[in-house]
Amino acid sequence: GAGVSQTPSNKVTEKGKYVELRCDPISGHTALYWYRQSLGQGPEFLIYFQGTGAADDSGLPNDRFFAVRPEGSVSTLKIQRTERGDSAVYLCASSSVDGEAFFGQGTRLTVV
Amino acid sequence: DQQVKQNSPSLSVQEGRISILNCDYTNSMFDYFLWYKKYPAEGPTFLISISSIKDKNEDGRFTVFLNKSAKHLSLHIVPSQPGDSAVYFCAASSRSGSARQLTFGSGTQLTVLP
Repeated sequence: GAGVSQTPSNKVTEKGKYVELRCDPISGHTALYWYRQSLGQGPEFLIYFQGTGAADDSGLPNDRFFAVRPEGSVSTLKIQRTERGDSAVYLCASSSVDGEAFFGQGTRLTVV
Repeated sequence: DQQVKQNSPSLSVQEGRISILNCDYTNSMFDYFLWYKKYPAEGPTFLISISSIKDKNEDGRFTVFLNKSAKHLSLHIVPSQPGDSAVYFCAASSRSGSARQLTFGSGTQLTVLP
């Protein structure tokens, strides 16, 4: 497809488990972003990749959160020892250099 | 500390009338502002943007106004259509190389009544 693709669209996991969320950006976009949106709030920045490297990970809430983009395209957000407070919609966006960010539809994570 | 604020959680407007959505910011380093539109179960979609060197940008039915001295921007939609009903997010960024890390407001739910 031509847009940003995120899988899965929904994920329910038990407290304490490990989850991986995948983002497939628009082809050719060098910049990739992860945001988290809690109910009733706007998206909050988590991490930004330029190519393969994390250029800014200042938004990651703690060391249970980690993201990779090994080949400069697909990215995976990894959450260890999930907590109920991690429940949110996780949004991925990509952009070209100086271009606008295009968002995926998000992954709704529910930790029970 | 919310750096981008949308103080109206909801707005209802009659079809054909003007919709005005407001946004305030506190960070003087912000120099680029955007509006995104979001339908349920979809990601935000870019609508319109404005650089701090301008005070107005227009694209069809959508116009964004920026008042830097008041740290305030607004989105005008005219005429409003039922398909415009969605959550509208204001976002801001400051240039850091070519990064566009966005700071979002909490959104305004616009309902356009037929």
